Amino acid sequence: DIQMTQSPSSLSASIGDTITITCRASQIIDTYVNWYKQEPGKAPRLLIYGASRLQGGDPSRISASGSGTDFTLTISSLQSEDFASYYCQQSYKTPYTFGHGTKVEI
Amino acid sequence: QITLKESGPALLEPTQTLTLTCSFSGFSLSTNGLAVGWIRQSPEKALEWLALIYWDDDKRYSSSLKNRLTITKDTSKNQVVLTMTSVDPTDSGTYYCARRSWGGLDTWFEPWGQGLLVTVAS
Repeated sequence: DIQMTQSPSSLSASIGDTITITCRASQIIDTYVNWYKQEPGKAPRLLIYGASRLQGGDPSRISASGSGTDFTLTISSLQSEDFASYYCQQSYKTPYTFGHGTKVEI
Repeated sequence: QITLKESGPALLEPTQTLTLTCSFSGFSLSTNGLAVGWIRQSPEKALEWLALIYWDDDKRYSSSLKNRLTITKDTSKNQVVLTMTSVDPTDSGTYYCARRSWGGLDTWFEPWGQGLLVTVAS
């Protein structure tokens, strides 16, 4: 199975900050990475697909990049609605695997 | 509007079989390229992909759980059913179903159901 190593597991930030979350795959997976956001008590929802393609409706201050084994999610000008947990997922092949998540706290 | 909703027991005893139903609307699982998957979230919040069923009835399973899982679909009822045999307390968590969509060569899970909390305890 492809392992997805996500870091950090948690981070503290302030409104207006820029944060970066990273995910490393245990093998080359081209750009087959998705990022999900999960707010407390809610189901995850898609944020980014294909490593860098922003899901419709999400603000442009959210961006992602990467190819091969290393991927990043960046959120600039942090807003209150960004305080949540974020997960990467490889869609290169089944069995699909997720990173362990990053909790972004105030 | 595409929606999915999980149903099943909230509480099970160890060794029992867990049967979960995903009822969905807004799409048909007979549509070329679509699939529905199950993902669970442990109390520690880790997400674990469990199984996937494709429009053509092809199926894929988690490596660690494949001997205990069976996924089926009823296209006429817009339902996908996941069964997990021999549950134990480590199977406790929130179980989600989600539509696996695709665009080009990319695939992703969206939307997700609201989730069903399942507890395994004696």
